[in-house]
Amino acid sequence: AQSVTQLGSHVSVSEGALVLLRCNYSSSVPPYLFWYVQYPNQGLQLLLKYTSAATLVKGINGFEAEFKKSETSFHLTKPSAHMSDAAEYFCAVSSYYGNNRLAFGKGNQVVVIP
Amino acid sequence: NAGVMQNPRHLVRRRGQEARLRCSPMKGHSHVYWYRQLPEEGLKFMVYLQKENIIDESGMPKERFSAEFPKEGPSILRIQQVVRGDSAAYFCASSLRDRDITLHFGNGTRLTVT
Repeated sequence: AQSVTQLGSHVSVSEGALVLLRCNYSSSVPPYLFWYVQYPNQGLQLLLKYTSAATLVKGINGFEAEFKKSETSFHLTKPSAHMSDAAEYFCAVSSYYGNNRLAFGKGNQVVVIP
Repeated sequence: NAGVMQNPRHLVRRRGQEARLRCSPMKGHSHVYWYRQLPEEGLKFMVYLQKENIIDESGMPKERFSAEFPKEGPSILRIQQVVRGDSAAYFCASSLRDRDITLHFGNGTRLTVT
């Protein structure tokens, strides 16, 4: 079975500071990895995805994530937080064999402090 | 070009009633996935359907829950005899093809059982 772990349900970051959200995965087959963002009362929007190509993946809104197989990690970063980044962020894993049965982490609620 | 449409956005049911949640996939998409988000939890896979077929229902509770995706019309997630523990946000996602790892999510239906 595949799974992801996201630590720290609530993350506070100052406006202009680095955003770092950690994600560690467990998978017995080569994984596909995703970061989604959810704004209040909305659905999930894909930020970026890793599908076994380049290990550094760039997404929308200035976010990027790096796949590190040795660390089984896929941490999400953004150099400078903006107020509009306040939202909930979910890491998810699946694989070619998984038929899109994504396994999600519990999420990080990001608060941006002016 | 409409995205994934879910209705209703909010649904209130009393214990013992039936809840029907509808999902219209993106135009041209024939693969539908239902996920449930409990409070303080990430999304959990429930069921994967193609037109007129249930492909994977490994995440569905064994009783009271059913799903369909008829040849014509939206996909329906039905919950019979709802209980308080069914209160959650239910999200539908669609994809163009099997093995298409890009899922498009709707805005969800928030079910409250009183």
